[in-house]
Amino acid sequence: KNEVEQSPQNLTAQEGEFITINCSYSVGISALHWLQQHPGGGIVSLFMLSSGKKKHGRLIATINIQEKHSSLHITASHPRDSAVYICAVRSDTDKLIFGTGTRLQVFP
Amino acid sequence: DGGITQSPKYLFRKEGQNVTLSCEQNLNHDAMYWYRQDPGQGLRLIYYSQIVNDFQKGDIAEGYSVSREKKESFPLTVTSAQKNPTAFYLCASTPRGRRYGYTFGSGTRLTVV
Repeated sequence: KNEVEQSPQNLTAQEGEFITINCSYSVGISALHWLQQHPGGGIVSLFMLSSGKKKHGRLIATINIQEKHSSLHITASHPRDSAVYICAVRSDTDKLIFGTGTRLQVFP
Repeated sequence: DGGITQSPKYLFRKEGQNVTLSCEQNLNHDAMYWYRQDPGQGLRLIYYSQIVNDFQKGDIAEGYSVSREKKESFPLTVTSAQKNPTAFYLCASTPRGRRYGYTFGSGTRLTVV
């Protein structure tokens, strides 16, 4: 079993829909990252969280340390949000562990 | 602005040639890392360095080499011994101390033909 699990693996949505991507982890962590990878491969760092909630534009990230769970929400989704979203945690043993990603496609 | 620069974004090489991927940071971070991504898999650690002139093998170091002669730079060489070098390569850095997060480069996609 992977130490960082993302769900769903694939997600399709219509433009304007509210989207949630989930990340669960089984190790102690000091920080959690959400990354975006567009077709063609470039990585963009969206959020780093150690507690609570962060918001940037239409993106919201939350983390529940007790439940070992984080969610990434996209409000009013747009085709340009189509990408792979990757969750990564910095473990208490100082290791960075990546999820396998969630592929999102938003159709007009 | 501070950050990590990986260059080039796309790289093509002929089979049997060594190729070096660049990773430069101006964040004064102590630790630097190289990861590899294959389709459908999470990123896996190739090599990391926590201090200048020192580096450690990660989970998939075979066929790769690195150097850390300067704090700012951590180049990765994909050697001809790497059996399947076509992949996406990501560089990351972090200050010393677990309360910090990581900074990520944008990545280099290497295709060997």
